[in-house]
Amino acid sequence: NAGVMQNPRHLVRRRGQEARLRCSPMKGHSHVYWYRQLPEEGLKFMVYLQKENIIDESGMPKERFSAEFPKEGPSILRIQQVVRGDSAAYFCASSDGDGTEAFFGQGTRLTVV
Amino acid sequence: GQNIDQPTEMTATEGAIVQINCTYQTSGFNGLFWYQQHAGEAPTFLSYNVLDGLEEKGRFSSFLSRSKGYSYLLLKELQMKDSASYLCALLPYNNDMRFGAGTRLTVKP
Repeated sequence: NAGVMQNPRHLVRRRGQEARLRCSPMKGHSHVYWYRQLPEEGLKFMVYLQKENIIDESGMPKERFSAEFPKEGPSILRIQQVVRGDSAAYFCASSDGDGTEAFFGQGTRLTVV
Repeated sequence: GQNIDQPTEMTATEGAIVQINCTYQTSGFNGLFWYQQHAGEAPTFLSYNVLDGLEEKGRFSSFLSRSKGYSYLLLKELQMKDSASYLCALLPYNNDMRFGAGTRLTVKP
């Protein structure tokens, strides 16, 4: 039973390009969280999704950032027109939504050059 | 918001016991979680409290007092490999899990 799978593990983008980060939750999980982490800092909540629904996106910047979790396929975090300040580790976690723990993927480390 | 507060850094000696505190302000929640995160790696689940009291899992224990808005993670018989960040997280009723900034623990010989 594979855990939470994120890809790519490392992503380098030039300023102005688009970054697409993918997250496949654990089998049977329908709840996905995205967090951003800067070096030496904690996990900053971005968005919480269930299948085909955005439940809470209060942590997402209003512009350039979007997330989806379609009925089929992985959850996608999309960052348009990336800037240097977007460089960070982006972690995805999934849960079954029954109040139990969330499991994390290995993260995508985005570097904007 | 949940306003989850933890000390930023702690240092302890190998073989000792360390207690990492977490305080929060929230009207209600399903459970409180503790995660461990080594530098450059993903957080991994350590423990989970729903009811008040102590939950013990080997060298790790976690305590919760809902009335006091307080939890702690207790690590016994510290090992060098326990040097990591420890993250306190709340799971509100809407399942919208939020994390504290984490406590960076350094274990010294």
